[in-house]
Amino acid sequence: EPEVTQTPSHQVTQMGQEVILRCVPISNHLYFYWYRQILGQKVEFLVSFYNNEISEKSEIFDDQFSVERPDGSNFTLKIRSTKLEDSAMYFCASSESYSGANVLTFGAGSRLTVL
Amino acid sequence: GESVGLHLPTLSVQEGDNSIINCAYSNSASDYFIWYKQESGKGPQFIIDIRSNMDKRQGQRVTVLLNKTVKHLSLQIAATQPGDSAVYFCAEALHNTDKLIFGTGTRLQVFP
Repeated sequence: EPEVTQTPSHQVTQMGQEVILRCVPISNHLYFYWYRQILGQKVEFLVSFYNNEISEKSEIFDDQFSVERPDGSNFTLKIRSTKLEDSAMYFCASSESYSGANVLTFGAGSRLTVL
Repeated sequence: GESVGLHLPTLSVQEGDNSIINCAYSNSASDYFIWYKQESGKGPQFIIDIRSNMDKRQGQRVTVLLNKTVKHLSLQIAATQPGDSAVYFCAEALHNTDKLIFGTGTRLQVFP
């Protein structure tokens, strides 16, 4: 069964450092997403991406965050200068259509720990 | 504001019993609802979805019920098994939007 793969599974970084989280969505999917889950809390929407541009983003997704699809297969989330409160599990997801019309398939997540 | 919430943070059931997990949503404009299962160390896994033009949908051992009058969503799991132990999230999506709004989650514990 096709799956969304994410790397790294766990990253520890110092506050103020840049972090790039990588995702390989399902190959025929056109919509890509990043969500995050702070420990013990609910899953929160960060950003959606379609046709090489951001289609929607949340208040969490401020100027410190950026997304990119550099090579047609990878989908990355960059946090420019990490803060302690960025510590969370970051989930990538993809779908054939937008999330209001189609099922999202999530990756296993990348755990980010900011010290 | 918009929110999706769960009544019970933890539900304990005996193996073989039926489980019912509930969810309340507040946005009447939502027209698509999904239940996800999250096992420890894994991402949310799709279980079943339902659109607002339906009030019931059945899958394999699972049934989702939607009551738009009281903005309530439930997930019924028949003959609960140990492998069903996980955190269950409901999520809603507004028509023609990209984002899912997740609830806070209910932990289902299945005892032998």
